[in-house]
Amino acid sequence: ETGVTQTPRHLVMGMTNKKSLKCEQHLGHNAMYWYKQSAKKPLELMFVYSLEERVENNSVPSRFSPECPNSSHLFLHLHTLQPEDSALYLCASSQELGLNQPQHFGDGTRLSIL
Amino acid sequence: AQSVTQLGSHVSVSEGALVLLRCNYSSSVPPYLFWYVQYPNQGLQLLLKYTTGATLVKGINGFEAEFKKSETSFHLTKPSAHMSDAAEYFCAVSETSGTYKYIFGTGTRLKVLA
Repeated sequence: ETGVTQTPRHLVMGMTNKKSLKCEQHLGHNAMYWYKQSAKKPLELMFVYSLEERVENNSVPSRFSPECPNSSHLFLHLHTLQPEDSALYLCASSQELGLNQPQHFGDGTRLSIL
Repeated sequence: AQSVTQLGSHVSVSEGALVLLRCNYSSSVPPYLFWYVQYPNQGLQLLLKYTTGATLVKGINGFEAEFKKSETSFHLTKPSAHMSDAAEYFCAVSETSGTYKYIFGTGTRLKVLA
């Protein structure tokens, strides 16, 4: 399998639930990213990891908790989310962390908070 | 700080007609610029990028973009639209403050009429 794979593709959860989003990249990249995509808003960068170390936390609420156990896997742990957290969550990776590095995206997880 | 403006949230063209999607950026230093496409229920896919060198950049699926420093623009064009080009298109500029961020525009949804 190639590219960036995200699971699940769809997730519906209540505000008191705990769930996790998974991202796996098969490209041999060293940097990974989480983005939030909401309707009519630009993509919002949430977290950046380089070689399994978090290098960016873009003022994301603590109810979102990322984990990068190795350079191929990235998780986003969710707990006590709010309705405004409903969105498409995209994972991306790039060869290295750098300004001219194109990012490769997964197909996203569509999250709905009841 | 960098910013990106995409003029027109929706653009409609006839099949076979010229596609022109506009992107203007603000940056105090030479930027890195990208165009991404997002098909329904999918993640973003890189169309093309400008880093340095030739200002006319060719990408996949017959798209190209020209970096015009004097106009701070990076408009995306395709000579002849195809039905399969219907998608949402995002322009992005890389943040140059050392935080390795992309700044995305709000996107332009392209509709191709038969």
